[in-house]
Amino acid sequence: AQSVAQPEDQVNVAEGNPLTVKCTYSVSGNPYLFWYVQYPNRGLQFLLKYITGDNLVKGSYGFEAEFNKSQTSFHLKKPSALVSDSALYFCAVRDNNNAGNMLTFGGGTRLMVKP
Amino acid sequence: EAGVTQFPSHSVIEKGQTVTLRCDPISGHDNLYWYRRVMGKEIKFLLHFVKESKQDESGMPNNRFLAERTGGTYSTLKVQPAELEDSGVYFCASSQTRTERAFFGQGTRLTVV
Repeated sequence: AQSVAQPEDQVNVAEGNPLTVKCTYSVSGNPYLFWYVQYPNRGLQFLLKYITGDNLVKGSYGFEAEFNKSQTSFHLKKPSALVSDSALYFCAVRDNNNAGNMLTFGGGTRLMVKP
Repeated sequence: EAGVTQFPSHSVIEKGQTVTLRCDPISGHDNLYWYRRVMGKEIKFLLHFVKESKQDESGMPNNRFLAERTGGTYSTLKVQPAELEDSGVYFCASSQTRTERAFFGQGTRLTVV
């Protein structure tokens, strides 16, 4: 069975400061990892993904995430937060050995960026 | 290119009534998924269509939920009869292939009172 943990319900940062949203995962095979963001009254928008290759993945809006196999983590980062980054962030994993192709999501982390 | 669209955006119904949610995937996407998020918890998988066939429905909570995708285009998710615990946000997603990322709709917020 696959699972995702986002240990923080909410992360507060000041505008201009770096931000990190944490994610750890568990799969039986090799993971495909994703970050999605949900702005108010909007659907889930894709930010970035890790399939294979470079452990540091760059995505939309200046976000990046680092795949760490030994720590089974895929933390989302951004060097300088913007107030407009305030939203709900979801980490998700797909087991590439899973023929069912479903995504398993974490519980979400609300990011609040204050001016 | 139009994205994944879901109707309605909000629905409030009484316990025991029937509700039908609709999802129009991106044109040409054979894979269609339903997920839901209940009361601020994690987003959970419900089922997966490949064209008109149910590939995986292991996440469907019980037989009050019925999903269809006639003709392999749009999909409907019917809840009959609705219960209070069915309240939540129902997301639809589509992808062109199994390995590609999924594009999500804006969700339908269902409230059962």
